[in-house]
Amino acid sequence: KAGVTQTPRYLIKTRGQQVTLSCSPISGHRSVSWYQQTPGQGLQFLFEYFSETQRNKGNFPGRFSGRQFSNSRSEMNVSTLELGDSALYLCASSLAGRGGGEKLFFGSGTQLSVL
Amino acid sequence: AQTVTQSQPEMSVQEAETVTLSCTYDTSESNYYLFWYKQPPSRQMILVIRQEAYKQQNATENRFSVNFQKAAKSFSLKISDSQLGDTAMYFCAFMEVHSNYQLIWGAGTKLIIKP
Repeated sequence: KAGVTQTPRYLIKTRGQQVTLSCSPISGHRSVSWYQQTPGQGLQFLFEYFSETQRNKGNFPGRFSGRQFSNSRSEMNVSTLELGDSALYLCASSLAGRGGGEKLFFGSGTQLSVL
Repeated sequence: AQTVTQSQPEMSVQEAETVTLSCTYDTSESNYYLFWYKQPPSRQMILVIRQEAYKQQNATENRFSVNFQKAAKSFSLKISDSQLGDTAMYFCAFMEVHSNYQLIWGAGTKLIIKP
């Protein structure tokens, strides 16, 4: 069974541009959540999707958005990139989406560098 | 707001030794989940062990075990017979029962196993 796949692995953008990151969950998983990891702020929750609906959102500006498709694949978008958006973006998927502490399976992340 | 604190930025031990990583957390909730995740250089976050707060029995997974002290809000990870492959960043994380996968993370402990 394939794991969580995130593409691309690495991305370089310049300030002001926008970027779209992709996450394909494990087959059968319906919940996808996103996290940002930086050396300064550590790991922070961005948002979570279940059955194409955003159920929870972290404390990030509106420039960060996401969506989930009917096949459970998810994308996150960051518009008007800032230097501080440079980070490793991790995606995780879960099976039943009950939000009850189930095991999260993580991808290897997308390393975004903003110049 | 919930917080998770890992007071040891870095630890190193000899192969085959036992090591304990510390984690404390702050919450007003009575029902929640606690996790230890491992992040090797591949960047993929891997679940090491999970504890449900309503269970008094400490979780164990092979060489990994936790010491969960609910009243003290402490959740330490013990690694027995440490192996070179255990070298990684270790993160302690907290999740409310109905938070829809909003994990609150500690800053991490870099664990180095020396041959």
